[in-house]
Amino acid sequence: DIQMTQSPSSLSASVGDRVTITCRASQNVHSYLNWYQQKPGKPPKLLIYAASSLQSGVPSRFSGSGSGTDFTLTISSLQPEDFATYYCQESYNIHTFGPGTKVDI
Amino acid sequence: EVQLVESGGGLVQPGGSLRLSCAASGFTFSNYWVHWVRQAPGKGLVWVSRMNSDGSSTEYADSVKGRFTFARDNARNTLYLQMNSLTAEDTAVYYCARGGQFSYYYPMDVWGQGTTVTVSS
Repeated sequence: DIQMTQSPSSLSASVGDRVTITCRASQNVHSYLNWYQQKPGKPPKLLIYAASSLQSGVPSRFSGSGSGTDFTLTISSLQPEDFATYYCQESYNIHTFGPGTKVDI
Repeated sequence: EVQLVESGGGLVQPGGSLRLSCAASGFTFSNYWVHWVRQAPGKGLVWVSRMNSDGSSTEYADSVKGRFTFARDNARNTLYLQMNSLTAEDTAVYYCARGGQFSYYYPMDVWGQGTTVTVSS
């Protein structure tokens, strides 16, 4: 099975900061890589699919890049509502999620 | 409104069984792959199972294989997750989620609010 790792596991940032989260797959997942945002007590929300495609309704400050095994989620200017946990997920094999990156103040 | 609503969670003793349901509305349910994902308290997301649009293809995570059974009733727009031989490690919020129409490669774009399963004596 494919293993997913994320770094960092947590980060502290301020409103307006540029934030980058990295995700690595243990095998080639091509561009079948998705990013989700989750806030406490809520279900995950799809942000980015197919590595770099922005889900409808998601602000353009979110962007994704990468292919193969290395991927990045970037928030260009962090907003108060962006403090949350972010998960990458491969959809090439059995939809394994990364361990998450918590973004807090 | 496109919606998924889970039900059936609760407290169950170790070794017991529980059946979760997920009611879909607002979209052509029979066209989509669907998934179950769980999240233990304070932990990350874990994929549990997926099923194709007509129910002919199902996959399970190793941790639940042989104990959980995923079913769907396209006439009732409903998913079911039958969970047997439950252990404390199955304690989690269980989410149903919509996948893609044509293959399992698509992301999960619609999620239910989740239903909580607690396995404890």
